[in-house]
Formats: sequence, C-alpha cells, structure tokens
Amino acid sequence: GQQLNQSPQSMFIQEGEDVSMNCTSSSIFNTWLWYKQDPGEGPVLLIALYKAGELTSNGRLTAQFGITRKDSFLNISASIPSDVGIYFCAGLSSGNTPLVFGKGTRLSVIA
Amino acid sequence: SQTIHQWPATLVQPVGSPLSLECTVEGTSNPNLYWYRQAAGRGLQLLFYSVGIGQISSEVPQNLSASRPQDRQFILSSKKLLLSDSGFYLCAWTASSGLRGKLFFGSGTQLSVL
Repeated sequence: GQQLNQSPQSMFIQEGEDVSMNCTSSSIFNTWLWYKQDPGEGPVLLIALYKAGELTSNGRLTAQFGITRKDSFLNISASIPSDVGIYFCAGLSSGNTPLVFGKGTRLSVIA
Repeated sequence: SQTIHQWPATLVQPVGSPLSLECTVEGTSNPNLYWYRQAAGRGLQLLFYSVGIGQISSEVPQNLSASRPQDRQFILSSKKLLLSDSGFYLCAWTASSGLRGKLFFGSGTQLSVL
C-alpha cells in the first residue's frame, strides 16, 4: 500500500529557532494535509495543499506541495513553546480512499 | 458548522470485558467516518472506515468491530478486550463531497485495559 516517509522522527529546538520537516512518498498524491496533535487531543488541521508547487502559509507556518506530487514540506518560523506537539503529514490520492498518514514528527521546544 | 463528538474521554476496562465507543457528527449529512488507534507517542493506525450506513471497511484484522447504525453515528466495539487493545482511539470524519478531502478528528478516548 501507499506509504509516507516523514522526517525527522523527533526534534529538539531552542525557542525562536525555525523548524523544517518533510514527507516523501513513492506514490503521487493530489492533496497534502498537515496536522498538529497536542498531548491527549485529536490532531488539528493546520494547512491543506491542492496543487503541485503550491505554497501556503498559516501564521508562522508555511507548507509546500512538491512539484513531483510525491513530497511536501512544513516550516515553522520563530518557534514558541506552544508549538510543542506531534506534526503529521497526510496524503490523499483520490475520491473516497482514506488519507495516508506519516508517522509524525515530535517537536520539543526548549525555552 | 460541523462538530464531532466522541465519548468517553477516558476508560479503564478489565481484560475480557466488552467495549463500546461512540462517535457522532453534527452539521453534515452522509459523512465518511473513520476509527483510528494511536499507541503512546506513535502514529495513527486506521482501523475502520465507512462511506455509508451499514458499510464498514476494515483495514486491520483484530479483536475490534465497527458499526454504523445511523448516518452520523459510528460505534467501535469489542466483545472481549485484550491488553493489546489499550491505546488512544480517535474518531474522524470527512465530507463525502466538498471540503476537499479535509479530515476532522474528535478529541479521542484513552483506553486502558488492565
């Protein structure tokens, strides 16, 4: 089946630093979604991408839909303590097929 | 606006006991519904999904079952819980059309089987 390789698995950064994480696949996706999960909560949608090459921002977050349709990147600028959590990428190939999720990137921010 | 309700928030059950987790969605019709499980600090494992009443697709054979008795209700069940059933269970929904594939999660149920 389809798989997403998300990296890094975990990150420890200083407050104020920028963060970058990515997802890659051997399959083409038509939609890329990025989620954040706080401890003990359900994941919350951060950014949705629908076109190859698309670059979309949501506050300090910026995500890009790769030109090849096989990858996506999420950047967080000037990290703050509340950025702590697990970030998941997800890809959708078509129709009613379920999203394919990456295994997540656990972000820790050191004040 | 659409909302998803999932309960209970936490549950402690003995091994061998039955399980019933319920999820309902409001503000939309004919949603696609999903059950995920997440082990501590790990990724999201899709367990079941449903595109309509009575239609259930199972992604992973296991000790659990799912049912969709009404359009906006999705139930996760087990007749006899195992220790390995412990985890964080998440219900989620997408629109059958529109909303462009966006998946929305409930707040989760932390299940501990002892």
